[in-house]
Amino acid sequence: QVRLQESGPGLVKPSGTLSLTCAVSGGSISSSISWWSWIRQPPGKGLEWIGEIYHSGSTNYNPSLKSRVTISVDKSKSQFSLKLSSVTAADTAVYYCARKTRITVAGTPVSSAFDIWGQGTMVTVSS
Amino acid sequence: DIQMTQSPSSVSASVGDRVTITCRASQSIGSWLAWYQQNPGKAPKLLIYAVSSLQGGVPSRFSGSGSGTDFTLTISSLQPEDFATYYCQQANSFPLTFGGGTKVEIK
Repeated sequence: QVRLQESGPGLVKPSGTLSLTCAVSGGSISSSISWWSWIRQPPGKGLEWIGEIYHSGSTNYNPSLKSRVTISVDKSKSQFSLKLSSVTAADTAVYYCARKTRITVAGTPVSSAFDIWGQGTMVTVSS
Repeated sequence: DIQMTQSPSSVSASVGDRVTITCRASQSIGSWLAWYQQNPGKAPKLLIYAVSSLQGGVPSRFSGSGSGTDFTLTISSLQPEDFATYYCQQANSFPLTFGGGTKVEIK
Protein backbone atom coordinates (compact mmCIF):
# COMPACT_ATOMS: atom_id res chain seq x y z
CA GLN A 1 0.00 0.00 0.00
CA VAL A 2 1.04 3.62 -0.34
CA ARG A 3 3.49 4.86 2.23
CA LEU A 4 4.80 8.37 2.86
CA GLN A 5 8.08 9.28 4.53
CA GLU A 6 9.20 12.78 5.45
CA SER A 7 12.84 13.79 5.57
CA GLY A 8 14.79 16.96 6.21
CA PRO A 9 16.63 18.96 8.87
CA GLY A 10 15.17 18.95 12.34
CA LEU A 11 16.64 22.33 13.22
CA VAL A 12 16.38 25.54 11.22
CA LYS A 13 17.71 28.96 12.16
CA PRO A 14 15.36 31.95 12.45
CA SER A 15 14.94 33.79 9.14
CA GLY A 16 16.14 30.68 7.32
CA THR A 17 14.26 28.34 5.00
CA LEU A 18 12.68 25.10 6.14
CA SER A 19 13.00 22.37 3.50
CA LEU A 20 11.32 18.97 3.71
CA THR A 21 10.78 16.13 1.28
CA CYS A 22 8.13 13.44 1.27
CA ALA A 23 8.90 10.18 -0.49
CA VAL A 24 5.95 8.28 -1.91
CA SER A 25 6.24 4.50 -2.16
CA GLY A 26 3.89 1.65 -2.94
CA GLY A 27 1.80 3.65 -5.36
CA SER A 28 1.84 6.25 -8.09
CA ILE A 29 2.38 9.91 -7.34
CA SER A 30 0.60 10.53 -10.64
CA SER A 31 -2.73 9.11 -9.51
CA SER A 32 -5.57 11.15 -10.96
CA ILE A 33 -7.51 11.20 -7.69
CA SER A 34 -4.66 12.16 -5.36
CA TRP A 35 -3.35 15.47 -4.15
CA TRP A 36 -0.22 15.61 -2.02
CA SER A 37 -0.34 17.82 1.04
CA TRP A 38 1.70 19.26 3.85
CA ILE A 39 0.10 19.69 7.27
CA ARG A 40 1.73 20.88 10.46
CA GLN A 41 1.05 20.67 14.18
CA PRO A 42 2.78 22.93 16.71
CA PRO A 43 3.59 21.21 20.01
CA GLY A 44 0.41 20.65 22.00
CA LYS A 45 -1.79 22.33 19.39
CA GLY A 46 -4.07 21.43 16.51
CA LEU A 47 -3.55 20.72 12.83
CA GLU A 48 -2.91 23.36 10.17
CA TRP A 49 -3.06 22.65 6.46
CA ILE A 50 -0.15 24.26 4.63
CA GLY A 51 -0.84 23.42 1.02
CA GLU A 52 -1.04 20.74 -1.65
CA ILE A 53 0.20 19.81 -5.10
CA TYR A 54 -1.14 17.68 -7.95
CA HIS A 55 1.18 15.58 -10.06
CA SER A 56 0.80 18.14 -12.86
CA GLY A 57 2.37 20.75 -10.61
CA SER A 58 -0.84 22.60 -9.82
CA THR A 59 -0.82 23.92 -6.26
CA ASN A 60 -3.13 25.29 -3.59
CA TYR A 61 -1.77 27.11 -0.55
CA ASN A 62 -3.09 28.34 2.76
CA PRO A 63 -3.33 32.14 2.38
CA SER A 64 -1.89 32.56 5.88
CA LEU A 65 1.39 31.06 4.64
CA LYS A 66 1.21 31.59 0.89
CA SER A 67 3.84 34.32 0.71
CA ARG A 68 6.41 32.02 2.30
CA VAL A 69 5.50 28.56 0.95
CA THR A 70 6.55 26.66 -2.13
CA ILE A 71 5.47 23.07 -2.76
CA SER A 72 6.98 21.19 -5.68
CA VAL A 73 6.82 17.68 -7.11
CA ASP A 74 9.46 15.45 -8.69
CA LYS A 75 7.65 12.61 -10.43
CA SER A 76 10.88 10.94 -11.51
CA LYS A 77 11.80 10.48 -7.86
CA SER A 78 8.22 9.95 -6.67
CA GLN A 79 8.50 12.69 -4.11
CA PHE A 80 7.20 16.13 -3.29
CA SER A 81 8.76 18.89 -1.27
CA LEU A 82 7.99 21.83 0.99
CA LYS A 83 9.95 25.04 1.34
CA LEU A 84 8.95 27.58 3.98
CA SER A 85 10.98 30.76 4.03
CA SER A 86 11.66 33.40 6.66
CA VAL A 87 10.88 31.02 9.50
CA THR A 88 10.37 32.07 13.09
CA ALA A 89 9.80 30.18 16.32
CA ALA A 90 6.09 30.10 15.44
CA ASP A 91 6.95 27.68 12.64
CA THR A 92 8.22 25.09 15.12
CA ALA A 93 5.98 22.07 14.63
CA VAL A 94 5.65 18.48 13.57
CA TYR A 95 5.32 18.53 9.81
CA TYR A 96 3.29 15.80 8.14
CA CYS A 97 2.95 14.93 4.50
CA ALA A 98 -0.36 13.37 3.54
CA ARG A 99 -2.29 12.10 0.55
CA LYS A 100 -5.64 13.69 -0.10
CA THR A 101 -7.93 11.41 -2.06
CA ARG A 102 -10.93 12.68 -3.98
CA ILE A 103 -14.15 10.72 -3.47
CA THR A 104 -16.56 10.56 -6.37
CA VAL A 105 -20.07 9.24 -6.91
CA ALA A 106 -21.03 8.53 -10.53
CA GLY A 107 -18.03 10.56 -11.57
CA THR A 108 -18.98 13.61 -9.52
CA PRO A 109 -16.64 14.69 -6.69
CA VAL A 110 -18.55 14.59 -3.42
CA SER A 111 -15.80 14.71 -0.83
CA SER A 112 -12.13 14.25 -0.10
CA ALA A 113 -9.99 13.23 2.86
CA PHE A 114 -6.43 12.72 3.98
CA ASP A 115 -6.28 8.94 3.88
CA ILE A 116 -2.54 8.33 4.06
CA TRP A 117 -0.14 10.18 6.36
CA GLY A 118 3.58 10.13 6.92
CA GLN A 119 4.86 9.58 10.43
CA GLY A 120 5.70 13.26 10.78
CA THR A 121 8.97 15.05 11.39
CA MET A 122 9.67 17.57 14.14
CA VAL A 123 11.20 20.83 12.97
CA THR A 124 12.47 23.31 15.53
CA VAL A 125 13.27 26.90 14.63
CA SER A 126 16.03 28.11 16.93
CA SER A 127 19.43 29.73 16.78
CA ASP B 1 -11.94 30.72 5.78
CA ILE B 2 -14.42 28.16 7.08
CA GLN B 3 -14.08 27.83 10.85
CA MET B 4 -14.60 24.39 12.34
CA THR B 5 -15.68 24.39 15.98
CA GLN B 6 -15.57 21.17 17.95
CA SER B 7 -17.21 20.48 21.26
CA PRO B 8 -16.45 19.50 23.85
CA SER B 9 -12.71 20.18 23.83
CA SER B 10 -12.30 17.24 26.17
CA VAL B 11 -14.48 14.50 27.58
CA SER B 12 -13.90 11.98 30.34
CA ALA B 13 -15.50 8.61 29.77
CA SER B 14 -15.29 4.98 30.77
CA VAL B 15 -14.81 1.86 28.71
CA GLY B 16 -18.19 0.90 27.29
CA ASP B 17 -19.58 4.44 27.30
CA ARG B 18 -21.20 6.06 24.31
CA VAL B 19 -19.34 9.21 23.31
CA THR B 20 -20.54 11.91 20.94
CA ILE B 21 -18.38 14.70 19.57
CA THR B 22 -19.85 17.66 17.72
CA CYS B 23 -18.34 19.71 14.92
CA ARG B 24 -19.91 22.89 13.60
CA ALA B 25 -18.83 24.63 10.40
CA SER B 26 -19.12 28.40 9.99
CA GLN B 27 -20.89 27.82 6.68
CA SER B 28 -22.45 24.91 4.86
CA ILE B 29 -19.92 22.33 3.70
CA GLY B 30 -22.20 19.68 2.21
CA SER B 31 -20.61 16.24 2.46
CA TRP B 32 -17.05 17.55 2.55
CA LEU B 33 -16.30 16.47 6.11
CA ALA B 34 -13.89 13.94 7.57
CA TRP B 35 -12.96 12.75 11.05
CA TYR B 36 -9.51 11.72 12.28
CA GLN B 37 -8.14 10.03 15.38
CA GLN B 38 -4.73 10.96 16.73
CA ASN B 39 -2.82 9.14 19.43
CA PRO B 40 0.07 10.89 21.23
CA GLY B 41 3.18 11.07 19.12
CA LYS B 42 1.43 9.56 16.11
CA ALA B 43 0.07 10.87 12.86
CA PRO B 44 -3.68 11.35 12.54
CA LYS B 45 -5.63 8.40 11.17
CA LEU B 46 -8.66 8.76 8.92
CA LEU B 47 -11.80 7.33 10.52
CA ILE B 48 -14.69 8.70 8.49
CA TYR B 49 -14.98 10.55 5.19
CA ALA B 50 -17.88 12.15 3.37
CA VAL B 51 -19.66 12.69 6.73
CA SER B 52 -20.61 9.07 7.35
CA SER B 53 -18.50 6.66 5.30
CA LEU B 54 -16.27 4.43 7.39
CA GLN B 55 -12.67 4.16 6.22
CA GLY B 56 -11.52 0.60 5.60
CA GLY B 57 -10.37 -1.21 8.74
CA VAL B 58 -12.09 1.20 11.14
CA PRO B 59 -14.32 -0.55 13.69
CA SER B 60 -18.06 -0.21 13.21
CA ARG B 61 -18.47 1.34 16.67
CA PHE B 62 -17.42 4.59 15.00
CA SER B 63 -20.11 6.43 13.07
CA GLY B 64 -20.61 9.87 11.62
CA SER B 65 -23.68 11.88 10.81
CA GLY B 66 -24.86 15.37 10.03
CA SER B 67 -25.40 17.77 7.18
CA GLY B 68 -24.91 21.37 6.24
CA THR B 69 -23.06 22.88 9.17
CA ASP B 70 -23.58 20.44 12.05
CA PHE B 71 -21.88 17.08 12.29
CA THR B 72 -21.28 14.42 14.92
CA LEU B 73 -18.86 11.60 15.52
CA THR B 74 -20.19 8.83 17.76
CA ILE B 75 -18.30 6.02 19.42
CA SER B 76 -20.99 3.55 20.44
CA SER B 77 -19.01 1.63 23.05
CA LEU B 78 -15.68 3.13 24.02
CA GLN B 79 -12.73 0.75 23.96
CA PRO B 80 -9.32 1.25 25.63
CA GLU B 81 -7.66 1.98 22.30
CA ASP B 82 -10.14 4.80 21.59
CA PHE B 83 -8.69 7.16 24.19
CA ALA B 84 -7.18 9.72 21.84
CA THR B 85 -7.78 13.12 20.30
CA TYR B 86 -10.31 13.48 17.49
CA TYR B 87 -10.38 16.13 14.77
CA CYS B 88 -12.96 17.07 12.18
CA GLN B 89 -11.85 18.61 8.87
CA GLN B 90 -13.66 20.34 6.05
CA ALA B 91 -12.65 20.01 2.42
CA ASN B 92 -15.42 22.13 0.91
CA SER B 93 -13.21 25.13 0.22
CA PHE B 94 -9.67 26.39 0.57
CA PRO B 95 -7.96 26.72 2.90
CA LEU B 96 -8.74 23.26 4.21
CA THR B 97 -9.35 23.59 7.94
CA PHE B 98 -9.52 21.38 10.99
CA GLY B 99 -11.47 21.63 14.21
CA GLY B 100 -9.55 22.35 17.40
CA GLY B 101 -9.74 18.74 18.55
CA THR B 102 -11.56 16.76 21.23
CA LYS B 103 -9.52 14.78 23.70
CA VAL B 104 -11.22 11.64 24.98
CA GLU B 105 -9.79 10.80 28.37
CA ILE B 106 -10.23 7.96 30.80
CA LYS B 107 -12.62 8.73 33.65
